[in-house]
Amino acid sequence: DGGITQSPKYLFRKEGQNVTLSCEQNLNHDAMYWYRQDPGQGLRLIYYSQIVNDFQKGDIAEGYSVSREKKESFPLTVTSAQKNPTAFYLCASKEGLHSGEKLFFGSGTQLSVL
Amino acid sequence: DAKTTQPTSMDCAEGRAANLPCNHSTISGNEYVYWYRQIHSQGPQYIIHGLKNNETNEMASLIITEDRKSSTLILPHATLRDTAVYYCIVRVIEGNTPLVFGKGTRLSVIA
Repeated sequence: DGGITQSPKYLFRKEGQNVTLSCEQNLNHDAMYWYRQDPGQGLRLIYYSQIVNDFQKGDIAEGYSVSREKKESFPLTVTSAQKNPTAFYLCASKEGLHSGEKLFFGSGTQLSVL
Repeated sequence: DAKTTQPTSMDCAEGRAANLPCNHSTISGNEYVYWYRQIHSQGPQYIIHGLKNNETNEMASLIITEDRKSSTLILPHATLRDTAVYYCIVRVIEGNTPLVFGKGTRLSVIA
């Protein structure tokens, strides 16, 4: 089945540690996105990529980094510079710039700080 | 992109129609109305979108007023599985920037 897969579902980070959240899609989509969601809040954009080897900062990129070396993969690293990383992280993809706004989301990763 | 206003929460009896309103009084002529929903601890799911005509698919119906300043998402026979947060988003199709998700409406379907 085609889809977008996030792993792990739950992740714990120690103080000063970098952690990487995985996002893989087999939909052959060009564009991929990372959003952060805090309890009771909407989604906030961290980073997005419209094509391989290119990505742009979203509204809350500080303390995060990404790479887009392959079309199907868009990992997100939460660095030690992100002082409040506890949140629900969502990855999404879209076929391309000219495919409307029908996003496909993964099932999310809940990150907590130990 | 135009700003939207949605009620914070709504209740609906199981089996009845759920009507979720959205105000977008500053919508432009080239902006579409999109609806997504998010079931607890899952990623949002696309439901439907429209420009000015009413739209229907297997999940829901979208009714847009003639002046396009508001719309209503209709779930014709709500089930407990429809309990979720529903997001109304207005933006130009093929926009250069990603979708912005507000707080949405929390729909509780009650048995």
